[in-house]
Amino acid sequence: DSGVTQTPKHLITATGQRVTLRCSPRSGDLSVYWYQQSLDQGLQFLIQYYNGEERAKGNILERFSAQQFPDLHSELNLSSLELGDSALYFCASSVGFAETEAFFGQGTRLTVV
Amino acid sequence: GESVGLHLPTLSVQEGDNSIINCAYSNSASDYFIWYKQESGKGPQFIIDIRSNMDKRQGQRVTVLLNKTVKHLSLQIAATQPGDSAVYFCAEAGRGNEKLTFGTGTRLTIIP
Repeated sequence: DSGVTQTPKHLITATGQRVTLRCSPRSGDLSVYWYQQSLDQGLQFLIQYYNGEERAKGNILERFSAQQFPDLHSELNLSSLELGDSALYFCASSVGFAETEAFFGQGTRLTVV
Repeated sequence: GESVGLHLPTLSVQEGDNSIINCAYSNSASDYFIWYKQESGKGPQFIIDIRSNMDKRQGQRVTVLLNKTVKHLSLQIAATQPGDSAVYFCAEAGRGNEKLTFGTGTRLTIIP
């Protein structure tokens, strides 16, 4: 167990809908990272928050947004969902800025039908 | 753009044998490399890392080799066990270790 908690584990929704994925980082970690992993693809970095502020942005679509709350948990919002958004979404956390020191959650599997 | 990739998408190995998973990287400025293991239904898990000033590093049953001349990274797993079945990713980072670039992954299957 990495200490990073993601909910829900599975989510099935229809095209056009909006969903929210939740991540609780390890105790003491200030950075939260979000990734998308499509079938048989590598991890694609979406966005990073550090202590409530956006720190780095990757290949995140405009339909997607995230935030980190004062208690350091984070949410990833996916809207106007398309079939191609079906993927595993991972959250990771680290104490500082270094993504190389991040620990990953078990992911949320999103299926858009 | 620069990227990290894997030579073989799938690999099947007999239990007890050694396995080698390969990775090519294209950014010659990469300073730090990590191998991750991702089991079915789980997130990536750190296995072993290596810095660019080293060419070999050993862990428990795992060894990472770095060949900077040809920009090649490999993960050797000795005496494979069924629990080694997973997808293995390499990842690279530049100086400062802030950002990672992940490879596509190799699926390793251990045959009992």
